[in-house]
Amino acid sequence: KNEVEQSPQNLTAQEGEFITINCSYSVGISALHWLQQHPGGGIVSLFMLSSGKKKHGRLIATINIQEKHSSLHITASHPRDSAVYICAVHSNSGYALNFGKGTSLLVTP
Amino acid sequence: ETGVTQTPRHLVMGMTNKKSLKCEQHLGHNAMYWYKQSAKKPLELMFVYNFKEQTENNSVPSRFSPECPNSSHLFLHLHTLQPEDSALYLCASSPAEGIHNEKLFFGSGTQLSVL
Repeated sequence: KNEVEQSPQNLTAQEGEFITINCSYSVGISALHWLQQHPGGGIVSLFMLSSGKKKHGRLIATINIQEKHSSLHITASHPRDSAVYICAVHSNSGYALNFGKGTSLLVTP
Repeated sequence: ETGVTQTPRHLVMGMTNKKSLKCEQHLGHNAMYWYKQSAKKPLELMFVYNFKEQTENNSVPSRFSPECPNSSHLFLHLHTLQPEDSALYLCASSPAEGIHNEKLFFGSGTQLSVL
């Protein structure tokens, strides 16, 4: 069983909708990353957080350390947000990142 | 543009071929990574170099051979691969390994097909 679980696996939304992607993990962590991967492969780091909440434009990431859960929210979604969103954690026991399988998001006009 | 460049973008090779993947970063980072991304699976860490020294080999078969001549360049030499090695190979860099509050910067990847 992967230490990092994401839901949903696939998500289709209409342009303008509010989107939430969830990430749960089973180990103690020092930091959690949200990454975005567009078709073609390149991955961009969106957020790195260890507590609370971060906001960048229409993207908001939250984390609850006690519940071992993080969410990525997209407000006023747009077709250009279509991508795979990946959650990854730095566990307390090692330096390597553990990755979720990703959530594939499609935003339709 | 993330500052991490990978070549080639696509590679098709036979099982008896030898090829190399190249990664270059212009960010002044000291840690570089190779990841493998197979369909429907999470990214898998393959190798880590920190200040040109290999610090992690995640039980990768010997048909994959990394090389890090300096902090800006990382290679992955491939020989006698198997069809199941077909995947997207991603290079990443960070200021240094082991510091948990650092972001990773990824290249666009090499999509490898082994026939």
